[in-house]
Amino acid sequence: KQEVTQIPAALSVPEGENLVLNCSFTDSAIYNLQWFRQDPGKGLTSLLLIQSSQREQTSGRLNASLDKSSGRSTLYIAASQPGDSATYLCAADRGSTLGRLYFGRGTQLTVWP
Amino acid sequence: DTAVSQTPKYLVTQMGNDKSIKCEQNLGHDTMYWYKQDSKKFLKIMFSYNNKELIINETVPNRFSPKSPDKAHLNLHINSLELGDSAVYFCASSRQGGGYTFGSGTRLTVV
Repeated sequence: KQEVTQIPAALSVPEGENLVLNCSFTDSAIYNLQWFRQDPGKGLTSLLLIQSSQREQTSGRLNASLDKSSGRSTLYIAASQPGDSATYLCAADRGSTLGRLYFGRGTQLTVWP
Repeated sequence: DTAVSQTPKYLVTQMGNDKSIKCEQNLGHDTMYWYKQDSKKFLKIMFSYNNKELIINETVPNRFSPKSPDKAHLNLHINSLELGDSAVYFCASSRQGGGYTFGSGTRLTVV
């Protein structure tokens, strides 16, 4: 059974810092790896999707990498801003019609001015 | 707007009642899901449907019954609500090999 772990569970930093959020998964036979953001009381917003044949994806100040062999993904946030404050969720997809997302418990990020 | 939309956004009800949550997606995805986010914010799959066919039923009490009238809709009916059913329920959809899109959630409170 796939287990997804996110480290750290919480992070509080001053704005401007470059951040690293870590995600590890136990079953390397994943298909895709997706990062989401969840604001308090809100839904999940997809940030980056790393598909099966890819090793990384970039969107603006965000960059996510995937190393299936080591069972790890990393989300980099450059030049953090207070608006980045949210919970970041990592999810591994087993693919196929039996696809489902296995979620980590998230990293709660606070960026203060 | 292309999206996954679910209603209602909030649902407060008494124990023992029956309630339904509706979900619709206009993304053309073949697979739809219900996920539950518990009080500790952990997200776990409940059901998935592919083209109206039940694919995953993740040891959910049979008081929960999903129904997919067509591949763009997946509803969740809950009978005899219990206090422990209080949670946020998310609908999602995906296409094979692609990413997942989530609805904004339904916060269910059973009193």
